[in-house]
Amino acid sequence: EDQVTQSPEALRLQEGESSSLNCSYTVSGLRGLFWYRQDPGKGPEFLFTLYSAGEEKEKERLKATLTKKESFLHITAPKPEDSATYLCAVQALEGAQKLVFGQGTRLTINP
Amino acid sequence: DTGVSQDPRHKITKRGQNVTFRCDPISEHNRLYWYRQTLGQGPEFLTYFQNEAQLEKSRLLSDRFSAERPKGSFSTLEIQRTEQGDSAMYLCASSFRQSETQYFGPGTRLLVL
Repeated sequence: EDQVTQSPEALRLQEGESSSLNCSYTVSGLRGLFWYRQDPGKGPEFLFTLYSAGEEKEKERLKATLTKKESFLHITAPKPEDSATYLCAVQALEGAQKLVFGQGTRLTINP
Repeated sequence: DTGVSQDPRHKITKRGQNVTFRCDPISEHNRLYWYRQTLGQGPEFLTYFQNEAQLEKSRLLSDRFSAERPKGSFSTLEIQRTEQGDSAMYLCASSFRQSETQYFGPGTRLLVL
């Protein structure tokens, strides 16, 4: 069964303090790994898709990387507006196009 | 704004009542998904439509749940005889035929008293 585990569950940083969020996954053939941002009471907002080990994507202060077992979301010099829950999900090659999500990492950036 | 829309945004109901939610996907997106999210957890897959055909249903989708997408455009999710355990955020997402990326709506938050 496809599975995604994210760590840590919660992370508090000071503004400007860089860090990384981890997403470990097991999937029977990876079609894609997705990162979403979710603000309280809202739906997930798409950030990145990664398809193969070694791939990297960047957007503003965020950079996502992928290995055969893990993905990392690196946050460089974060600002308070980066505070949110970050969700990782995998999509398998076979079957429906469903996403299997981790439980998320709640990130808080203090000014 | 041409994103995924959901209605209503919030619903409070009493146990045993039926509720129906609507999702309007992004125009020309032929794939539509329903997920359920409880507090502190990631979304869990419920069901998937390609055009008007319902192609997969999760074991989470009990007999009290039914979903339709009659003309391959908007979709409805109905929960019959609601239970307190049905309280959750119900999310809809859509994707285009040639893309794996799913775009989510704002969700419908259901509270069953």
